[in-house]
Amino acid sequence: NAGVTQTPKFQVLKTGQSMTLQCAQDMNHEYMSWYRQDPGMGLRLIHYSVGAGITDQGEVPNGYNVSRSTTEDFPLRLLSAAPSQTSVYFCASSYFGTAYTFGSGTRLTVV
Amino acid sequence: QQQVKQSPQSLIVQKGGISIINCAYENTAFDYFPWYQQFPGKGPALLIAIRPDVSEKKEGRFTISFNKSAKQFSLHIMDSQPGDSATYFCAASRVGNQGGKLIFGQGTELSVKP
Repeated sequence: NAGVTQTPKFQVLKTGQSMTLQCAQDMNHEYMSWYRQDPGMGLRLIHYSVGAGITDQGEVPNGYNVSRSTTEDFPLRLLSAAPSQTSVYFCASSYFGTAYTFGSGTRLTVV
Repeated sequence: QQQVKQSPQSLIVQKGGISIINCAYENTAFDYFPWYQQFPGKGPALLIAIRPDVSEKKEGRFTISFNKSAKQFSLHIMDSQPGDSATYFCAASRVGNQGGKLIFGQGTELSVKP
């Protein structure tokens, strides 16, 4: 039982490049979310999903896209990376909106 | 607009002391209030959570106090230990079909001195 798996763990991008952060969970959780963590800002919600085919915006969605084609996977896409997107990104999942389990994070640097 | 406000930003407590972290929320539709603990380089981990139908919940040395009328809740860590040194986050959300948006406070960096 792996829980929430995020890949890659570290990534360096050049400004303007695109990439996809992967998130997979094996707990059959319906709810999945993406957060970014910046010093002094806490964890800010980027996008979330309450089931396959259903996504919605969080607090800071600009510059990010998501889709949810399966229950297990919830990838986060950066279409054109900017230095302001340098952050640590966490994926989380939950059965019904409580007791979210977090992944170990992806540390992204945009230069 | 910060929906969940957390204080203090940092806290230093002596071993054996009581650590208290406070949070205030704005949205009265929130009905789930968890606390998460995060160690450096790790993802947040659920510590304890409360629903608004109770005013207090205790699990070991950790207690949540909840004041619905004031829209405030707090985490008390009794007999604080150096191993409790971590960053603590409060959060709030609605559960069930109206849920999905777990909103976090800014975090409190706790240091427990031996």
